[in-house]
Amino acid sequence: SAVISQKPSRDICQRGTSLTIQCQVDSQVTMMFWYRQQPGQSLTLIATANQGSEATYESGFVIDKFPISRPNLTFSTLTVSNLSPEDSSIYLCSVEFSGNTIYFGEGSWLTVV
Amino acid sequence: GESVGLHLPTLSVQEGDNSIINCAYSNSASDYFIWYKQESGKGPQFIIDIRSNMDKRQGQRVTVLLNKTVKHLSLQIAATQPGDSAVYFCAEIRITGFQKLVFGTGTRLLVSP
Repeated sequence: SAVISQKPSRDICQRGTSLTIQCQVDSQVTMMFWYRQQPGQSLTLIATANQGSEATYESGFVIDKFPISRPNLTFSTLTVSNLSPEDSSIYLCSVEFSGNTIYFGEGSWLTVV
Repeated sequence: GESVGLHLPTLSVQEGDNSIINCAYSNSASDYFIWYKQESGKGPQFIIDIRSNMDKRQGQRVTVLLNKTVKHLSLQIAATQPGDSAVYFCAEIRITGFQKLVFGTGTRLLVSP
């Protein structure tokens, strides 16, 4: 399996500011995904990030609010912009590895105050 | 709309019992399913997967059953232990131009000693 590291693991941010979350993988992977998990809820896909192309966003998520970078095959960032309390969630990076199997990082826990 | 959902939000069992967690899916075109375990404060952990050309797959203490006729998936945990207490998610991979993982709502498993 792949080792997926996310930073920060937790943060408390003021409303109106932005937070950038980093995801580092110990292997080269083609497909990386960003998910949001609101308190007590399941995981919702935000976007798919493939190296060398623009991220593909799911319905309800837009690039202005959730800009994503994917500069190489082992790294991606997700920025959550113009924070509001409703953005308080866990943000999870995941990768497709070894043919369909998808692994997750430990998540970045965001609280907006 | 299409969805992946679970029948029971909470399942309470005694240590040593067998646990069965159920999941219904609605997209008959899905061809790959994964069960994840999420412990408190952690990201989802891959447990076991199954492809649509199979109806059963076994791992260590876990078995996944797939019934394509009724679009039903189950996770069986043998000799449940307190360390199995977590939220369990089923997820399906839908091929819509590219692969993406869609999660069900989750079932919380509580194991009493």
